[in-house]
Amino acid sequence: QKEVEQNSGPLSVPEGAIASLNCTYSDRGSQSFFWYRQYSGKSPELIMFIYSNGDKEDGRFTAQLNKASQYVSLLIRDSQPSDSATYLCAVNPSSGSARQLTFGSGTQLTVLP
Amino acid sequence: DTGVSQNPRHKITKRGQNVTFRCDPISEHNRLYWYRQTLGQGPEFLTYFQNEAQLEKSRLLSDRFSAERPKGSFSTLEIQRTEQGDSAMYLCATSDRGSTDTQYFGPGTRLTVL
Repeated sequence: QKEVEQNSGPLSVPEGAIASLNCTYSDRGSQSFFWYRQYSGKSPELIMFIYSNGDKEDGRFTAQLNKASQYVSLLIRDSQPSDSATYLCAVNPSSGSARQLTFGSGTQLTVLP
Repeated sequence: DTGVSQNPRHKITKRGQNVTFRCDPISEHNRLYWYRQTLGQGPEFLTYFQNEAQLEKSRLLSDRFSAERPKGSFSTLEIQRTEQGDSAMYLCATSDRGSTDTQYFGPGTRLTVL
């Protein structure tokens, strides 16, 4: 079982719709969770992070965390073609001196005009 | 632009050659990470520095790989005797000491081993 799992997609949504991206993780003690966006050939770009159970909103983006279910999601409202990218879920481990991120394989999102 | 810079942006080399990459972090960031990313996968952790100390290395980091951060500022990643399997994007990320420990990535160095 992979430590961080995401549906690889591709996920296609029409412009203006809500895109829902999901991620599950195996380390129950994980403390912090990140969503990165990665355009083809580019490096990951931080969208947002979340630490506490519940929802966190930032503009068109909402991250949702449920630690009991070991589940984190990202909602993108009013999706735009410029949102077309791969979205990476990343998790900080619960122990160790380093705080390296463990990434999922990413979900490829296409927003259709 | 996150403020993290990496050089070179692209490197093409022949199998068996040595290559070195450089990462310059955001100035106030004392934590520096190296990751490797292959096509269709998320980044995989290679190694971590806090200031000049290399505190953790992944099992992915074979003895052909070495990383340094001599003065706690820029870092270098060297790959000796490159193999075709080393072809990947090498990413540097930095973070500060704050509780969020949010990591910001540089643009990456794309390595192609022929």
